[in-house]
Amino acid sequence: DSGVTQTPKHLITATGQRVTLRCSPRSGDLSVYWYQQSLDQGLQFLIQYYNGEERAKGNILERFSAQQFPDLHSELNLSSLELGDSALYFCASSVGGTQPQHFGDGTRLSIL
Amino acid sequence: QQQVKQSPQSLIVQKGGISIINCAYENTAFDYFPWYQQFPGKGPALLIAIRPDVSEKKEGRFTISFNKSAKQFSLHIMDSQPGDSATYFCAASSGGGADGLTFGKGTHLIIQP
Repeated sequence: DSGVTQTPKHLITATGQRVTLRCSPRSGDLSVYWYQQSLDQGLQFLIQYYNGEERAKGNILERFSAQQFPDLHSELNLSSLELGDSALYFCASSVGGTQPQHFGDGTRLSIL
Repeated sequence: QQQVKQSPQSLIVQKGGISIINCAYENTAFDYFPWYQQFPGKGPALLIAIRPDVSEKKEGRFTISFNKSAKQFSLHIMDSQPGDSATYFCAASSGGGADGLTFGKGTHLIIQP
């Protein structure tokens, strides 16, 4: 158990809809990272927050956004969903700086 | 542009043998190179990581070899066991590991009893 909690584990929705994925980092971790895992693209970095502030963006679509709250949990919002957004979404957390990232077990998003 | 290339895609090794997975990177700003292990239905779990100031790091049966001039690094699993059967990902990042990780495509490893 990595200590990173992601909810829900599974999410099924339709095209055009909006969903919110939630991540609770390990106790003491200030940095949260979001990744997308799909068969064709593999594991891709989306966005990073550190202590409530956006720190870096990766391959995140404009339809996607995220935030980190004062209690350090984070949410990834996906809107105007398309079939191609079906994937596993992982959250990882670290203390910050050069410390390693620890991953949660992901949210599997299925778009019908 | 695939910044981290991983090979092979799949690998079958006999129990007790050595499993070797290779990765090559392009971005010279990368300065942190972890390996992750992933089982079905689970998130990637950190196995071992190396920084470019050393050429080799060993933790138990797992060893990373790093060649900075060739921009290559590899994972060796000694005395491979059926429980090691999983998907392995190499990754790289800059900022000493503080930045988002760039992953290889993964290697599906099967250890035959």
